[in-house]
Amino acid sequence: KAGVTQTPRYLIKTRGQQVTLSCSPISGHRSVSWYQQTPGQGLQFLFEYFSETQRNKGNFPGRFSGRQFSNSRSEMNVSTLELGDSALYLCASSLDTSYNEQFFGPGTRLTVL
Amino acid sequence: GNSVTQMEGPVTLSEEAFLTINCTYTATGYPSLFWYVQYPGEGLQLLLKATKADDKGSNKGFEATYRKETTSFHLEKGSVQVSDSAVYFCALRESNFGNEKLTFGTGTRLTIIP
Repeated sequence: KAGVTQTPRYLIKTRGQQVTLSCSPISGHRSVSWYQQTPGQGLQFLFEYFSETQRNKGNFPGRFSGRQFSNSRSEMNVSTLELGDSALYLCASSLDTSYNEQFFGPGTRLTVL
Repeated sequence: GNSVTQMEGPVTLSEEAFLTINCTYTATGYPSLFWYVQYPGEGLQLLLKATKADDKGSNKGFEATYRKETTSFHLEKGSVQVSDSAVYFCALRESNFGNEKLTFGTGTRLTIIP
């Protein structure tokens, strides 16, 4: 069974631009969560989608948004990029919302110049 | 709110040494507890978990026991290998419906020297 895939793996953007990251969960998984990982703040929860609906949201500004499609694939969008948005963005999928087994993708490394 | 406090790193040990990485938590309810491992250049992998008090999670020689009285979930391994070099994250999941997100500790970088 294929794992969680994230595209692209690396991105370089400049301040003020916007970016869209994609996540394909494991087949059959309906829950997708997004996390931001930085050296200073560690792993921080962004949001979770289940059956195309946002169930949980972390403490991030409205510039960070996401959506989930009917095939469970998810995208997250960051608008008006700031230098502090440079991070590894991790996507995780699970069968349902129980989180007892969450599978992580390799991440997208975003660098904002 | 919920929080996880992990032992500060980095931790450097010789091969075959005994490992302990401390983890304590604060939660309002009865959380499930997890240890995740992140190898260089990869995403996180679930290492082990425990869903209720006194449960012991184990995998690949690693163990951790859910101690409600001390709100701890320390990770241990009796004899580490070079291949165990990675970053280890302790995490909890609150059991309140609609608030089940994972809260992670800051991570502990472990380096094993041959």
